[in-house]
Amino acid sequence: AQSVTQPDARVTVSEGASLQLRCKYSYSGTPYLFWYVQYPRQGLQLLLKYYSGDPVVQGVNGFEAEFIKSNSSFHLRKASVHWSDSAVYFCAVSANSNNRIFFGDGTQLVVKP
Amino acid sequence: DAGVTQTPRHEVAEKGQTIILKCEPVSGHNDLFWYRQTKIQGLELLSYFRSKSLMEDGGAFKDRFKAEMLNSSFSTLKIQPTEPKDSAVYLCASSFRGSNTEVFFGKGTRLTVV
Repeated sequence: AQSVTQPDARVTVSEGASLQLRCKYSYSGTPYLFWYVQYPRQGLQLLLKYYSGDPVVQGVNGFEAEFIKSNSSFHLRKASVHWSDSAVYFCAVSANSNNRIFFGDGTQLVVKP
Repeated sequence: DAGVTQTPRHEVAEKGQTIILKCEPVSGHNDLFWYRQTKIQGLELLSYFRSKSLMEDGGAFKDRFKAEMLNSSFSTLKIQPTEPKDSAVYLCASSFRGSNTEVFFGKGTRLTVV
């Protein structure tokens, strides 16, 4: 079965700094990969997804992620964070578009002013 | 265009009470998920329906948790009897089984059992 590891439970950065949230997945085939964001008192919202093609995918609000197959990673990046980016970020994987999604434990991002 | 709707948004129950949480998936979606979210355990899958058929029932939750899909546009999660450890946010999500699937989440129901 698939699984996802997000090694950092909490990340704190200053506003304007760059960001990387780490994600490693476990799946022997070619995965479908996702990043979701959860703002306080809200459900999860899709930030970006990777199915195939260019390993660098762009998402909303300046986020991007890079699929590195050799490293089984799908780290999320942003060049300059804003205080409004404070939220919990979930990495997720599925075997294909018809399979259910497995979520990581999430990373709490705190952006300091 | 309505997303996933969950009611109520907040529920307070006494220990031993029966509670029913409701979910309306996105119209046309045929996969439906119930998750429990806590700070300690993160997201835990409770139930997974595909075209109203139960695909997974989150083994550890079989005892007091029962999810049903009465029709393709409505699902319930019953907890009977409730215990204080059930205090959590319960999230419902839906997706369309096909290519480029995205899972849409509701805003959740925050359950407090006292």
